[in-house]
Amino acid sequence: ETGVTQTPRHLVMGMTNKKSLKCEQHLGHNAMYWYKQSAKKPLELMFVYSLEERVENNSVPSRFSPECPNSSHLFLHLHTLQPEDSALYLCASSQAVAGGPQANVLTFGAGSRLTVL
Amino acid sequence: AQSVTQLDSHVSVSEGTPVLLRCNYSSSYSPSLFWYVQHPNKGLQLLLKYTSAATLVKGINGFEAEFKKSETSFHLTKPSAHMSDAAEYFCVVSDRGSNKLTFGGGTRVLVKP
Repeated sequence: ETGVTQTPRHLVMGMTNKKSLKCEQHLGHNAMYWYKQSAKKPLELMFVYSLEERVENNSVPSRFSPECPNSSHLFLHLHTLQPEDSALYLCASSQAVAGGPQANVLTFGAGSRLTVL
Repeated sequence: AQSVTQLDSHVSVSEGTPVLLRCNYSSSYSPSLFWYVQHPNKGLQLLLKYTSAATLVKGINGFEAEFKKSETSFHLTKPSAHMSDAAEYFCVVSDRGSNKLTFGGGTRVLVKP
């Protein structure tokens, strides 16, 4: 295990469902991230949290709603998704968002494979 | 602005032969550069990083990369491929001090016995 745990690993949902993805890190990091990985497209940054405050929101549709209750946990709440939202959703953490030698050195979870029917 | 281009979407090598994965970048400031590897059904794992120290960077699993400012390149190499190197590799650039990472499109490596 990498120290970043994502659940569930696989999720199938209909377009009217509401579900959540969970991420937990045991590394003492202060920053957490959600990325979307789709086939044949570069990794897309969705959200960045630093010390539980959202510092980046990359024009992500409102049907994706992040939540960071503390520096160890990050959620991605999903509702009324579209089939094109099917992808691998990767959570990552780092010591800091910017500044310092370990900033931007990300530790990734194994991902949650989402299929929207 | 920053960008990164991985010149090959697929690379096929025979076990025991050298591996070369090419990466070119553009960055407005002094960049930090990274290579990550993703094995099937796994997250990305850091192989190595360049952050302004030595231009030849050694990483895990026998990989290394050389930062060449004049060529704006950060190619990844390994002298002898192993079957376990079959994976997808991502080159990543960040302007130093920035929280923005830009990922390349990835290079999928196939290792033939």
